[in-house]
Amino acid sequence: NAGVTQTPKFQVLKTGQSMTLQCAQDMNHNSMYWYRQDPGMGLRLIYYSASEGTTDKGEVPNGYNVSRLNKREFSLRLESAAPSQTSVYFCASRGGAGGQNIQYFGAGTRLSVL
Amino acid sequence: AQSVTQPDIHITVSEGASLELRCNYSYGATPYLFWYVQSPGQGLQLLLKYFSGDTLVQGIKGFEAEFKRSQSSFNLRKPSVHWSDAAEYFCAVGPPSGGYQKVTFGTGTKLQVIP
Repeated sequence: NAGVTQTPKFQVLKTGQSMTLQCAQDMNHNSMYWYRQDPGMGLRLIYYSASEGTTDKGEVPNGYNVSRLNKREFSLRLESAAPSQTSVYFCASRGGAGGQNIQYFGAGTRLSVL
Repeated sequence: AQSVTQPDIHITVSEGASLELRCNYSYGATPYLFWYVQSPGQGLQLLLKYFSGDTLVQGIKGFEAEFKRSQSSFNLRKPSVHWSDAAEYFCAVGPPSGGYQKVTFGTGTKLQVIP
């Protein structure tokens, strides 16, 4: 009963390095999301995927790219990390009986960019 | 545009005391409303949700929330707080179902429980 699994849990990067955050869900949900969480700012949507094969920008997409590899997996890539991307990143998927809009979250990836 | 306001950044209550966390939203129609809880170092867990019907909804861990359309509010309550309730609480709003739905989160209220 894994739900939403994110890897890695922690990561430290140097400015300019690249990395990919992985997310997988086993609930057969169509929609998946990437958020970042910063103190005092709540959760801000980076990118989302309404269904397999589609992706769209959220509120703060600059500096990020995403791939919806299949229905289960939705990855977030930082091509050239910047200190402003130091944050906690959460992946979520959405589903529920009758089309209910319930999001299920992973445990997060804590990223520091030096 | 939809928005959520949680006016209290930080609240401290004594164990056993009652709790009310405030949430106001802005949305053009009746939205879906949620409360999530986040324990330190963890992801967000759904406490309760309101979609339609009875405006007083019950959630997990003894929490409840009341939807008041006239006040555009969805406040979270608990009659007696336990030390394990110390966490950050997020209110969220989203449109009724139909395709992709963007959920907007408030900035959170951090709850401290003192003995």
